[in-house]
Amino acid sequence: QVQLQESGPGLVKSSQTLSLTCTVSGASLSSSTAYWSWIRQPAGKELEWIGHIFADGSTKYNPSLKSRVTISIDAPKNLFSLRLTSVTAADTALYYCARDRISYFDVWGPGTLVSVSS
Amino acid sequence: SYDLTQPPSVSVSPGQTASITCSGDRLGDKYVSWYHQKAGQSPLLVIFQDAKRPSGIPERFSASNSGNTATLTISGTQATDEAVYYCQAWDSNAAFVFGTGTRVTVL
Repeated sequence: QVQLQESGPGLVKSSQTLSLTCTVSGASLSSSTAYWSWIRQPAGKELEWIGHIFADGSTKYNPSLKSRVTISIDAPKNLFSLRLTSVTAADTALYYCARDRISYFDVWGPGTLVSVSS
Repeated sequence: SYDLTQPPSVSVSPGQTASITCSGDRLGDKYVSWYHQKAGQSPLLVIFQDAKRPSGIPERFSASNSGNTATLTISGTQATDEAVYYCQAWDSNAAFVFGTGTRVTVL
Protein backbone atom coordinates (compact mmCIF):
# COMPACT_ATOMS: atom_id res chain seq x y z
CA GLN A 1 0.00 0.00 0.00
CA VAL A 2 1.48 3.31 -1.11
CA GLN A 3 1.61 6.01 1.54
CA LEU A 4 2.84 9.59 1.38
CA GLN A 5 3.85 11.85 4.25
CA GLU A 6 4.59 15.55 4.04
CA SER A 7 7.05 17.20 6.40
CA GLY A 8 8.60 20.61 6.89
CA PRO A 9 8.32 23.86 8.83
CA GLY A 10 4.83 24.97 9.70
CA LEU A 11 5.78 28.63 9.79
CA VAL A 12 7.72 30.61 7.20
CA LYS A 13 8.48 34.30 7.24
CA SER A 14 7.27 36.49 4.44
CA SER A 15 9.73 36.86 1.51
CA GLN A 16 11.58 33.69 2.55
CA THR A 17 11.56 30.21 1.02
CA LEU A 18 9.08 27.45 1.86
CA SER A 19 10.62 23.96 1.78
CA LEU A 20 8.67 20.73 2.15
CA THR A 21 9.48 17.06 1.72
CA CYS A 22 7.22 14.16 0.80
CA THR A 23 8.41 10.74 1.89
CA VAL A 24 6.97 7.82 -0.05
CA SER A 25 6.54 4.31 1.30
CA GLY A 26 5.17 1.24 -0.44
CA ALA A 27 6.52 2.27 -3.84
CA SER A 28 9.93 2.97 -5.30
CA LEU A 29 10.27 6.39 -6.87
CA SER A 30 13.14 5.23 -9.07
CA SER A 31 11.11 2.49 -10.72
CA SER A 32 7.69 4.08 -10.63
CA THR A 33 5.81 4.99 -13.81
CA ALA A 34 3.85 7.64 -11.94
CA TYR A 35 4.46 11.32 -11.52
CA TRP A 36 4.62 12.89 -8.07
CA SER A 37 2.77 16.11 -7.39
CA TRP A 38 2.42 18.94 -4.93
CA ILE A 39 -1.01 20.48 -4.40
CA ARG A 40 -2.13 23.14 -1.97
CA GLN A 41 -5.38 24.33 -0.45
CA PRO A 42 -5.83 27.66 1.34
CA ALA A 43 -8.29 27.45 4.22
CA GLY A 44 -11.83 27.20 2.93
CA LYS A 45 -10.75 27.38 -0.69
CA GLU A 46 -10.31 25.05 -3.62
CA LEU A 47 -7.31 22.94 -4.49
CA GLU A 48 -4.45 24.32 -6.56
CA TRP A 49 -1.94 22.13 -8.36
CA ILE A 50 1.63 23.37 -7.89
CA GLY A 51 3.65 21.01 -10.06
CA HIS A 52 4.94 17.49 -10.53
CA ILE A 53 8.09 15.50 -11.12
CA PHE A 54 8.92 12.19 -12.75
CA ALA A 55 11.58 9.73 -11.64
CA ASP A 56 13.97 11.03 -14.31
CA GLY A 57 13.76 14.51 -12.79
CA SER A 58 11.57 16.05 -15.49
CA THR A 59 9.14 18.58 -14.11
CA LYS A 60 6.08 20.62 -15.01
CA TYR A 61 4.75 23.53 -13.01
CA ASN A 62 1.55 25.51 -12.74
CA PRO A 63 2.15 28.59 -14.92
CA SER A 64 0.87 30.85 -12.12
CA LEU A 65 3.64 29.66 -9.77
CA LYS A 66 6.34 28.60 -12.20
CA SER A 67 8.70 31.49 -11.50
CA ARG A 68 8.88 30.63 -7.79
CA VAL A 69 8.67 26.83 -7.70
CA THR A 70 11.25 24.06 -7.80
CA ILE A 71 10.39 20.41 -7.33
CA SER A 72 13.20 17.91 -6.94
CA ILE A 73 13.49 14.18 -6.34
CA ASP A 74 15.84 12.03 -4.26
CA ALA A 75 15.14 8.55 -5.56
CA PRO A 76 17.57 6.68 -3.25
CA LYS A 77 15.85 8.23 -0.23
CA ASN A 78 12.43 7.74 -1.85
CA LEU A 79 11.34 11.31 -1.38
CA PHE A 80 10.60 14.41 -3.40
CA SER A 81 10.66 18.03 -2.34
CA LEU A 82 9.07 21.40 -2.93
CA ARG A 83 10.71 24.82 -2.76
CA LEU A 84 8.62 27.96 -3.10
CA THR A 85 10.51 31.23 -2.98
CA SER A 86 9.48 34.76 -2.01
CA VAL A 87 6.43 33.63 -0.07
CA THR A 88 3.62 35.95 0.98
CA ALA A 89 0.48 35.53 3.06
CA ALA A 90 -1.24 34.23 -0.09
CA ASP A 91 0.95 31.12 0.15
CA THR A 92 -0.52 30.16 3.52
CA ALA A 93 -2.23 26.83 2.86
CA LEU A 94 -2.47 23.13 3.54
CA TYR A 95 0.13 21.51 1.30
CA TYR A 96 -0.42 17.98 0.00
CA CYS A 97 1.79 15.63 -1.93
CA ALA A 98 0.10 13.09 -4.17
CA ARG A 99 0.78 10.31 -6.65
CA ASP A 100 -0.06 11.58 -10.08
CA ARG A 101 -1.28 9.21 -12.80
CA ILE A 102 -1.01 11.93 -15.47
CA SER A 103 -4.73 12.70 -15.49
CA TYR A 104 -5.63 12.08 -11.86
CA PHE A 105 -4.30 11.76 -8.30
CA ASP A 106 -4.90 8.40 -6.68
CA VAL A 107 -2.93 8.59 -3.44
CA TRP A 108 -2.64 11.65 -1.21
CA GLY A 109 -0.67 12.47 1.89
CA PRO A 110 -2.47 13.80 4.98
CA GLY A 111 -1.25 17.32 4.26
CA THR A 112 0.84 19.79 6.21
CA LEU A 113 -0.19 23.30 7.15
CA VAL A 114 2.20 26.09 6.26
CA SER A 115 1.57 29.59 7.53
CA VAL A 116 3.41 32.66 6.28
CA SER A 117 4.07 35.29 8.89
CA SER A 118 5.00 38.90 8.41
CA SER B 1 -6.17 30.23 -17.55
CA TYR B 2 -8.64 27.38 -17.68
CA ASP B 3 -11.52 27.45 -15.19
CA LEU B 4 -13.88 24.77 -13.93
CA THR B 5 -17.13 25.93 -12.36
CA GLN B 6 -19.25 23.94 -9.92
CA PRO B 7 -22.40 24.87 -7.98
CA PRO B 8 -21.48 25.87 -4.41
CA SER B 9 -23.91 23.46 -2.81
CA VAL B 10 -26.27 20.57 -3.46
CA SER B 11 -28.79 19.19 -0.98
CA VAL B 12 -30.23 15.70 -1.19
CA SER B 13 -32.44 13.48 0.93
CA PRO B 14 -31.10 10.11 2.06
CA GLY B 15 -31.65 7.45 -0.58
CA GLN B 16 -32.19 9.99 -3.34
CA THR B 17 -29.93 10.94 -6.25
CA ALA B 18 -27.49 13.84 -6.15
CA SER B 19 -26.04 15.32 -9.31
CA ILE B 20 -23.05 17.66 -9.33
CA THR B 21 -22.03 19.50 -12.47
CA CYS B 22 -18.64 20.80 -13.55
CA SER B 23 -18.45 23.24 -16.44
CA GLY B 24 -15.49 24.24 -18.55
CA ASP B 25 -14.71 25.16 -22.12
CA ARG B 26 -14.71 21.98 -24.26
CA LEU B 27 -14.44 19.93 -21.07
CA GLY B 28 -15.63 16.89 -22.98
CA ASP B 29 -12.29 16.87 -24.81
CA LYS B 30 -10.41 16.36 -21.54
CA TYR B 31 -10.29 13.62 -18.94
CA VAL B 32 -12.21 14.57 -15.79
CA SER B 33 -11.72 13.14 -12.32
CA TRP B 34 -13.77 13.64 -9.17
CA TYR B 35 -12.74 13.72 -5.52
CA HIS B 36 -14.61 14.00 -2.29
CA GLN B 37 -13.11 15.70 0.70
CA LYS B 38 -14.56 15.27 4.17
CA ALA B 39 -13.78 17.77 6.88
CA GLY B 40 -10.19 17.50 8.08
CA GLN B 41 -9.29 14.83 5.53
CA SER B 42 -7.34 14.64 2.29
CA PRO B 43 -9.28 14.43 -0.97
CA LEU B 44 -10.27 10.92 -2.03
CA LEU B 45 -10.50 9.92 -5.68
CA VAL B 46 -13.99 8.64 -6.53
CA ILE B 47 -13.96 8.84 -10.36
CA PHE B 48 -11.09 9.00 -12.84
CA GLN B 49 -10.86 9.25 -16.63
CA ASP B 50 -14.42 10.56 -16.88
CA ALA B 51 -16.31 7.52 -15.59
CA LYS B 52 -14.03 4.90 -14.01
CA ARG B 53 -14.33 4.00 -10.33
CA PRO B 54 -11.23 3.18 -8.29
CA SER B 55 -11.21 -0.03 -6.32
CA GLY B 56 -13.27 0.34 -3.16
CA ILE B 57 -15.54 3.13 -4.42
CA PRO B 58 -19.22 2.10 -4.29
CA GLU B 59 -21.18 1.59 -7.48
CA ARG B 60 -23.56 4.36 -6.47
CA PHE B 61 -20.92 6.80 -7.73
CA SER B 62 -21.08 7.32 -11.49
CA ALA B 63 -20.09 10.09 -13.88
CA SER B 64 -20.19 11.34 -17.44
CA ASN B 65 -18.44 14.02 -19.48
CA SER B 66 -19.59 15.59 -22.73
CA GLY B 67 -19.57 18.97 -24.39
CA ASN B 68 -18.80 21.62 -21.79
CA THR B 69 -20.13 19.74 -18.76
CA ALA B 70 -19.09 16.80 -16.63
CA THR B 71 -21.55 15.35 -14.13
CA LEU B 72 -21.03 13.26 -11.01
CA THR B 73 -24.08 11.30 -9.89
CA ILE B 74 -24.52 9.74 -6.47
CA SER B 75 -27.39 7.26 -6.44
CA GLY B 76 -28.99 6.20 -3.18
CA THR B 77 -27.12 8.92 -1.32
CA GLN B 78 -26.03 8.07 2.20
CA ALA B 79 -25.14 10.29 5.14
CA THR B 80 -21.52 9.21 4.71
CA ASP B 81 -21.51 10.89 1.28
CA GLU B 82 -21.63 14.32 2.86
CA ALA B 83 -18.46 16.09 1.73
CA VAL B 84 -17.12 18.70 -0.62
CA TYR B 85 -16.75 17.32 -4.14
CA TYR B 86 -14.17 18.63 -6.59
CA CYS B 87 -13.87 17.98 -10.28
CA GLN B 88 -10.43 18.09 -11.89
CA ALA B 89 -9.20 18.15 -15.44
CA TRP B 90 -5.92 18.20 -17.28
CA ASP B 91 -5.41 21.16 -19.60
CA SER B 92 -2.42 21.01 -21.94
CA ASN B 93 -1.49 24.62 -21.15
CA ALA B 94 -2.46 25.04 -17.52
CA ALA B 95 -1.82 21.42 -16.52
CA PHE B 96 -4.03 20.22 -13.68
CA VAL B 97 -7.05 22.35 -12.84
CA PHE B 98 -9.54 21.82 -10.02
CA GLY B 99 -13.13 22.95 -9.86
CA THR B 100 -14.51 25.40 -7.34
CA GLY B 101 -16.00 22.64 -5.20
CA THR B 102 -19.57 21.61 -4.32
CA ARG B 103 -20.70 20.93 -0.77
CA VAL B 104 -23.12 18.02 -0.68
CA THR B 105 -25.50 18.03 2.26
CA VAL B 106 -27.63 14.99 3.03
CA LEU B 107 -30.73 16.29 4.77
